[in-house]
Amino acid sequence: EIILTQSPATLSGSPGERATLSCRASQRISRSLAWYQKKPGQPPRRLIFDASTRAIGVPDRFSGSGSGTDFTLTISSLESEDFAVYYCQYYDNWPPTYSFGPGTQLEIK
Amino acid sequence: EIQLLESGGGLVQSGGSLRLSCAASGFTFSNYVMSWVRQAPGKGLEWLSSIAGSSGATFYAASVRGQFTISRDNSNNNLFLQMNSLRAEDTAVYYCAKEDRRGGHTSGIDSWGQGTLVTVSS
Repeated sequence: EIILTQSPATLSGSPGERATLSCRASQRISRSLAWYQKKPGQPPRRLIFDASTRAIGVPDRFSGSGSGTDFTLTISSLESEDFAVYYCQYYDNWPPTYSFGPGTQLEIK
Repeated sequence: EIQLLESGGGLVQSGGSLRLSCAASGFTFSNYVMSWVRQAPGKGLEWLSSIAGSSGATFYAASVRGQFTISRDNSNNNLFLQMNSLRAEDTAVYYCAKEDRRGGHTSGIDSWGQGTLVTVSS
């Protein structure tokens, strides 16, 4: 079973600042990693898949990198709507199973 | 436009059962793996179960195996989750989710329903 850990648990930032969120897998997972943004009362929104591909409609201030066990989501310049919880997710091609990291709460400083 | 609409949530007593449904539209339902994911109050996202598109092969997280049963009706584009022996810790918002799969390669979940709240009272 692949276990994902995320750091930090909470990140404080101000609009205009850069934010860097990390996700580490317990085993090598190639690039089978996605990042989701979650706001209260809304379903998760996929931002990044295959470690670095931005989903349709996602602003280019969001970028993903990494492979193997270490992954990063970077928000180049925070905007007010970016304050939310961010989850990384591992997906297996077959069987189709998933695991989520515990999340990083991005809060306004 | 892809739409996933969950229903069937509500208040149930501990030990009871509930069946969730998800009505899908906007894509060829039978071609895709579908899943259920939940989020308990104040907790993170938890994958529960997936079902293959045409074969109907099923897969479960260890936490719900033997307690929950996933199924689908490809004729009517519906996904189901039968939940038995419910406990207080099963209280959560339950999401229906569609896999992003192209050419045999999966890229996670690309579409989610709005979720349905299940509350288990003790």
